[in-house]
Amino acid sequence: AQSVTQLDSQVPVFEEAPVELRCNYSSSVSVYLFWYVQYPNQGLQLLLKYLSGSTLVESINGFEAEFNKSQTSFHLRKPSVHISDTAEYFCAVKRAQGAQKLVFGQGTRLTINP
Amino acid sequence: KAGVTQTPRYLIKTRGQQVTLSCSPISGHRSVSWYQQTPGQGLQFLFEYFSETQRNKGNFPGRFSGRQFSNSRSEMNVSTLELGDSALYLCASSLGLAPTDTQYFGPGTRLTVL
Repeated sequence: AQSVTQLDSQVPVFEEAPVELRCNYSSSVSVYLFWYVQYPNQGLQLLLKYLSGSTLVESINGFEAEFNKSQTSFHLRKPSVHISDTAEYFCAVKRAQGAQKLVFGQGTRLTINP
Repeated sequence: KAGVTQTPRYLIKTRGQQVTLSCSPISGHRSVSWYQQTPGQGLQFLFEYFSETQRNKGNFPGRFSGRQFSNSRSEMNVSTLELGDSALYLCASSLGLAPTDTQYFGPGTRLTVL
């Protein structure tokens, strides 16, 4: 079975400051990794994903995440956050073979203060 | 291209009633998955459908059921509602069953059980 741990339930930061949202996973088989974002009263939007290849993946809005197999981590970073980044962020894994089922972490609520 | 649509967006029911939620996937997508999101349990996988067949099921009681139609639209049904069934129910669609296929989420149906 797979499991995901998001180490911080809430992360408050000031606008234009850097941020890191931490994610660790556990799995006995190969997995793919995802970050989804959820804005208030909305569904989940895919932010970025790691399937294979370069361990550093980037999103179009300035976020990046690095897959670290030895540390079983997939931390999300942004060098300078904006008020509009206020949302809840979910890390998820999916088995590289088999069912489509996503296993999610508990989420990290990112709050940006002006 | 239109995204995943879910109807209704909000629903209020009383204990003991049953409810049916609907999901229309992105055009061309043939796989539909359902997730339950609650503050306490987070995001949990309910079931996955492809070509009108349930391919995978999460750890939920038999009161939760679903189906998929030939046009890939899906419905989920919850019978004998309990207070703990209050949640945001999210539907996600993907092209097919390949683990590399990205799941795109709808806005969800918020169910409140009184």
